[in-house]
Amino acid sequence: GAVVSQHPSWVICKSGTSVKIECRSLDFQATTMFWYRQFPKQSLMLMATSNEGSKATYEQGVEKDKFLINHASLTLSTLTVTSAHPEDSSFYICSAWTAVIGYTFGSGTRLTVV
Amino acid sequence: DQQVKQNSPSLSVQEGRISILNCDYTNSMFDYFLWYKKYPAEGPTFLISISSIKDKNEDGRFTVFLNKSAKHLSLHIVPSQPGDSAVYFCAASARETSGSRLTFGEGTQLTVNP
Repeated sequence: GAVVSQHPSWVICKSGTSVKIECRSLDFQATTMFWYRQFPKQSLMLMATSNEGSKATYEQGVEKDKFLINHASLTLSTLTVTSAHPEDSSFYICSAWTAVIGYTFGSGTRLTVV
Repeated sequence: DQQVKQNSPSLSVQEGRISILNCDYTNSMFDYFLWYKKYPAEGPTFLISISSIKDKNEDGRFTVFLNKSAKHLSLHIVPSQPGDSAVYFCAASARETSGSRLTFGEGTQLTVNP
């Protein structure tokens, strides 16, 4: 079946540094990539939607300059958390979507900012 | 504004019995609903979906019921197995107006006791 590979699965970084999270669709081309974050015992909150070759659409309240999304190809999307702070510590998940396959989620990235 | 709500944060059932997980929504434009199973530090795993043109969809031990007039859906798992223990999320999309973006509920922790 369709697989989305998300890396890294966990990362610890110092406050003020930037972290890049990658999602690759391994055997299909993702029309759209969604990025979510999840706080403990809470829902998955949509952060942004990106389509290949165009700028991402951010949800209300999500800082686009802090959470940089690049969707340079149909198989790769990246989320960069810039100048990370402890409050950015969370679980980040990507989801690729195509009309044929539907939604395929990555395995998530646990980000801890110290 | 929580458009998809799962009012029960947890549910405990005995192995072999039926598990019923509930979900309510407020957006009448939602026309496609999905249920996902999620373990900690992993991405969601798709279980079953239903379109608004149907009121029931069945796949093995999983059945989803949709009551559009009540804006309510439920996931039935029968018979429940200890391996079903996880957090279950319902999600909805309004394909006509919002494309493929999903809105998730808060999740229900299901525990199936042997």
